[in-house]
Amino acid sequence: SAVISQKPSRDICQRGTSLTIQCQVDSQVTMMFWYRQQPGQSLTLIATANQGSEATYESGFVIDKFPISRPNLTFSTLTVSNMSPEDSSIYLCSVARTQNNEQFFGPGTRLTVL
Amino acid sequence: AQSVSQHNHHVILSEAASLELGCNYSYGGTVNLFWYVQYPGQHLQLLLKYFSGDPLVKGIKGFEAEFIKSKFSFNLRKPSVQWSDTAEYFCAVTPTGTASKLTFGTGTRLQVTL
Repeated sequence: SAVISQKPSRDICQRGTSLTIQCQVDSQVTMMFWYRQQPGQSLTLIATANQGSEATYESGFVIDKFPISRPNLTFSTLTVSNMSPEDSSIYLCSVARTQNNEQFFGPGTRLTVL
Repeated sequence: AQSVSQHNHHVILSEAASLELGCNYSYGGTVNLFWYVQYPGQHLQLLLKYFSGDPLVKGIKGFEAEFIKSKFSFNLRKPSVQWSDTAEYFCAVTPTGTASKLTFGTGTRLQVTL
């Protein structure tokens, strides 16, 4: 397994602002992912964070709205840009040691947009 | 693209009752299968996984799941539930050979009463 931390754990933001969420892993991992869990719904993959290159986004998610950085093998950030109330969700980071291993999840960041 | 269906959205059981949560997936190729659990106030944890081999998989805390390829199912079972099993359970699938593209079901909320 891996120990994953996320900052902040929760935040309340105003419409039109941006929030950057950090994900830190205790050891190097090949794969890092960002998910969204909207109220009462399941997890949806936003993107795969690639080290040293642009993230790979899933259908319905774009870089302008959710820019992602991954400067090394233990750290990634997700920014939620120009927020609206519809962005209120839990945002989760997950990691996998290799491309064919199970994913482990961080504690999540609970975001509320007013 | 793959999809996952969890038929039971909310299950209420008394302690010591047996549990079976349904999970069916849709995908044309071979898959890796997972059950994750989210206890109240805690982050998502891996309960068990199937990659290959014996279709009956044993996980933590007395849980097991059986992969029936002909039925595209991966049902979760426990012979005798405890109050501490109260949680939300998510079934997930990913194509074999990659830890990415993890697709989750909508989740089943299990409530165990004393």
